[in-house]
Amino acid sequence: NAGVMQNPRHLVRRRGQEARLRCSPMKGHSHVYWYRQLPEEGLKFMVYLQKENIIDESGMPKERFSAEFPKEGPSILRIQQVVRGDSAAYFCASSSNRDQPQHFGDGTRLSIL
Amino acid sequence: KNEVEQSPQNLTAQEGEFITINCSYSVGISALHWLQQHPGGGIVSLFMLSSGKKKHGRLIATINIQEKHSSLHITASHPRDSAVYICAVSPISGGYNKLIFGAGTRLAVHP
Repeated sequence: NAGVMQNPRHLVRRRGQEARLRCSPMKGHSHVYWYRQLPEEGLKFMVYLQKENIIDESGMPKERFSAEFPKEGPSILRIQQVVRGDSAAYFCASSSNRDQPQHFGDGTRLSIL
Repeated sequence: KNEVEQSPQNLTAQEGEFITINCSYSVGISALHWLQQHPGGGIVSLFMLSSGKKKHGRLIATINIQEKHSSLHITASHPRDSAVYICAVSPISGGYNKLIFGAGTRLAVHP
């Protein structure tokens, strides 16, 4: 069974561009979580989605950030008009149910030039 | 004060030593998680526990709900155990596995 797949592993963008981060959950998992790890800081919750629904986005910055988990295809974390402060590792996790253990992907390292 | 505190922040050990990493939290929780993160790599979930003790190979995790404290033990440590170990909790108020993370403990095991 494939684990949680994130791509790309590394993404470089210039200030003002858009960044799209993809997450394919484990087979059979319909719950997806996105976390951000800023340089030298701990992980922080961003958003929790269940197929086609955003359940909790309390950790998402109010502007420029959005997330979706369509009926078909991977979950997407989208960052518009990126700034240097968006440079971080973004991790996705998935679970089969809301109270089951989360399985993490290898993360996407986003660098902003 | 952070809701999840880990100690020590950094830990250096010689191969074979018994290692303990501590985690204290200040919120009511439904579960506590121990995660492992290798340099430049992904995150692996080691344990999810809500009471008592769990063991997997050389790793042991314990939790004391009354004292709001958990420990991760590594027996017969090995250089491949070198990683950052992260404690995370699922608050009861969250209603699901919304995780609050500690800052992590950076472990280096030398041969």
